[in-house]
Amino acid sequence: GNSVTQMEGPVTLSEEAFLTINCTYTATGYPSLFWYVQYPGEGLQLLLKATKADDKGSNKGFEATYRKETTSFHLEKGSVQVSDSAVYFCALDATSGTYKYIFGTGTRLKVLA
Amino acid sequence: NAGVTQTPKFQVLKTGQSMTLQCAQDMNHEYMSWYRQDPGMGLRLIHYSVGAGITDQGEVPNGYNVSRSTTEDFPLRLLSAAPSQTSVYFCASSYSRTGYYGYTFGSGTRLTVV
Repeated sequence: GNSVTQMEGPVTLSEEAFLTINCTYTATGYPSLFWYVQYPGEGLQLLLKATKADDKGSNKGFEATYRKETTSFHLEKGSVQVSDSAVYFCALDATSGTYKYIFGTGTRLKVLA
Repeated sequence: NAGVTQTPKFQVLKTGQSMTLQCAQDMNHEYMSWYRQDPGMGLRLIHYSVGAGITDQGEVPNGYNVSRSTTEDFPLRLLSAAPSQTSVYFCASSYSRTGYYGYTFGSGTRLTVV
């Protein structure tokens, strides 16, 4: 079946550090891939997406590249800020399967000043 | 402001009580869904709707009912609350089920069943 696996958190970084949050997936067909961000007390917000292999999604300094050969969609940012502290969810939209839109379990990021 | 509005934000229920969580969107989205968020388990799909009058079950539908009489509204009913239903509930909507454009989420309802 379809699934998304994220690295366990929490991830704690100092301000201006480099961020990587790992995400790998299993899916039939050719899924679209997404990253969502959830700030404290809020709902999820779409951060970026990629719809085909080798696409790079980017937004607010965050980037992720759709790697079909490694079935991965790792989230990166070159210099994190305190305001980036949140929970990040990887998600996929598969082309087949019982439940096509699947979220990972989320990775909490804490950035210290 | 355009978006998804959920009410209430917080609710405490006693075991066996029933209640309705409200969800409304003003973006003319055809697809609406309900998720529950539990620690370490991510988001799990409860029910979804692809348009007015059409609903279907998701991954964890037991104990919940939905209806979709209008495009805008998609209420979630808890029939007889149980402690296992303590969770944060999110309503989400999208132009289409495929999620190609991403989902728009409400701010959530934190439910505690005692």
